[in-house]
Amino acid sequence: NAGVTQTPKFQVLKTGQSMTLQCAQDMNHNSMYWYRQDPGMGLRLIYYSASEGTTDKGEVPNGYNVSRLNKREFSLRLESAAPSQTSVYFCASSEAVRTGIYEQYFGPGTRLTVT
Amino acid sequence: LAKTTQPISMDSYEGQEVNITCSHNNIATNDYITWYQQFPSQGPRFIIQGYKTKVTNEVASLFIPADRKSSTLSLPRVSLSDTAVYYCLGGTALIFGKGTTLSVSS
Repeated sequence: NAGVTQTPKFQVLKTGQSMTLQCAQDMNHNSMYWYRQDPGMGLRLIYYSASEGTTDKGEVPNGYNVSRLNKREFSLRLESAAPSQTSVYFCASSEAVRTGIYEQYFGPGTRLTVT
Repeated sequence: LAKTTQPISMDSYEGQEVNITCSHNNIATNDYITWYQQFPSQGPRFIIQGYKTKVTNEVASLFIPADRKSSTLSLPRVSLSDTAVYYCLGGTALIFGKGTTLSVSS
């Protein structure tokens, strides 16, 4: 099993450009998440999807949109990139977000620089 | 949401036991406590999860007192490779915070 995969691994954007970060998991998990991590900081939740067909905002959703394409895939879109969105983006998945018992599996991350 | 509080950093030497304590005063009745480890340039990795009393696996032990307002991650005989950031999460609150940076020296 590949676990959680993310593409691309690295990306450089100019201010105002758009892009979509892709995430896929092969563990048949119901819940998926997008986090960002800035230097020296912990992870901050952007959006999550408790189950296929649902999405919810996390701590820092402004400037982002998400799509839960199917049970395997959860994408994150930046419509108009800003330098403040320079960060490392991690996707994760878990069995279920609301049972109180869950273990998140993380992807390798996408390092995004916006100039 | 069950926000957690843990020390920003800790230092240790190889071979010592390290205990990292996390406070989670308003954890919900059904919530579990989960700990993750993160190495530089990698995503966090699950270490251990528990509800109450003591849980042990091949990597660590987790101690949770009866009132469940705190928990302690115990790493036995740390090595240089245990240098990482450790995060404590309370239940369904998907809040990682800044974690505890553990530095192990020889």
